[in-house]
Amino acid sequence: AQSVTQLGSHVSVSEGALVLLRCNYSSSVPPYLFWYVQYPNQGLQLLLKYTTGATLVKGINGFEAEFKKSETSFHLTKPSAHMSDAAEYFCAVSKRGGKLIFGQGTELSVKP
Amino acid sequence: DVKVTQSSRYLVKRTGEKVFLECVQDMDHENMFWYRQDPGLGLRLIYFSYDVKMKEKGDIPEGYSVSREKKERFSLILESASTNQTSMYLCASSPSAWGDYGYTFGSGTRLTVV
Repeated sequence: AQSVTQLGSHVSVSEGALVLLRCNYSSSVPPYLFWYVQYPNQGLQLLLKYTTGATLVKGINGFEAEFKKSETSFHLTKPSAHMSDAAEYFCAVSKRGGKLIFGQGTELSVKP
Repeated sequence: DVKVTQSSRYLVKRTGEKVFLECVQDMDHENMFWYRQDPGLGLRLIYFSYDVKMKEKGDIPEGYSVSREKKERFSLILESASTNQTSMYLCASSPSAWGDYGYTFGSGTRLTVV
């Protein structure tokens, strides 16, 4: 069965610092992988996705993620955090039939 | 842009009431989904639908039912609301059954059952 693990339910960084949000998945076949962001009292917005091809994927708002098959990881990074990045971030993997399995979420706080 | 619209942002209902949560998408997507979101548990799939009048149970269907009479509308029904159904409910749609497009989400309905 597919599953997604996000390491750390809460990550705090200073403004301008590197953002690293960790995601590991288990899958018996090459998966489709996603990162979503949720701002307070809103729905989820797609940040980026990996389906095939280049393993380094660039998304919106300066975020990127790298698919590492050998490590079964899809960590999300941003070189320099901004106050507006404070939100909850969800990693997800697709399941056969198109259903997404979500991780538990990581809340990112950005300190001034 | 695809829009997924959930009819209510906030709802307060009494225990035992029958509750309808409505979701409409405007891009002719065949696939629609209902999730609930709880702190520390992420998103859990309640029901999904791949076509009109077609539905399948997700991971936590107990206490819920769904209706999809038209392609654009997918309703979640709480047959007899209970306090443990207090949660954020998120509707989503997708054009692909293979998962490669991901989902477009609505803004969510925060339901409180008292």
